[in-house]
Amino acid sequence: QQQVKQSPQSLIVQKGGISIINCAYENTAFDYFPWYQQFPGKGPALLIAIRPDVSEKKEGRFTISFNKSAKQFSLHIMDSQPGDSATYFCAAASWGNNRLAFGKGNQVVVIP
Amino acid sequence: NAGVMQNPRHLVRRRGQEARLRCSPMKGHSHVYWYRQLPEEGLKFMVYLQKENIIDESGMPKERFSAEFPKEGPSILRIQQVVRGDSAAYFCASSPLPRDSNEQFFGPGTRLTVL
Repeated sequence: QQQVKQSPQSLIVQKGGISIINCAYENTAFDYFPWYQQFPGKGPALLIAIRPDVSEKKEGRFTISFNKSAKQFSLHIMDSQPGDSATYFCAAASWGNNRLAFGKGNQVVVIP
Repeated sequence: NAGVMQNPRHLVRRRGQEARLRCSPMKGHSHVYWYRQLPEEGLKFMVYLQKENIIDESGMPKERFSAEFPKEGPSILRIQQVVRGDSAAYFCASSPLPRDSNEQFFGPGTRLTVL
């Protein structure tokens, strides 16, 4: 059972454009929602994370939007660059239970 | 401050052999997690350990897989009598005390190939 579902599966964006990746979750006990970035042959790197007490969090060009009632959250990459080309994973966990449930990942390709 | 270290980075085993994967957490982190990633898939939780204690092994296959995190030395994920279906990337992550943070920091992974 996939507890966290991502869409779209892959995304092609022009340089300078906005990349948007969506995630939906089912378990209402989840209260920690990170996004990870993974390059080929590397481990996932924590990009940005949000808790449900806020609806949006921004760090540089990366923004998480969170909709608690819809049980959805999304990652926005502003001014996308070729160096952002990677696989992005959303995940979720409950406070005090550090078992991260990952989505299947989205491959983002930024073309010059 | 060195990050999470894993070795070996690549491991090739024949069916029936044993695989041992090692993970050293970030300095100051006392909690270790193991995840498995199959091709084109997300990461799947396997086990959560702290020093000398298994906290949650609900994601571990019932047979052939075991994990430990001794008082001294790295955490070890051990796979006995490997089969082709065990071929995957195995990632270790570490975190500070869970009550302080959910953040997990991942190592570069060990890519296991079973021939």
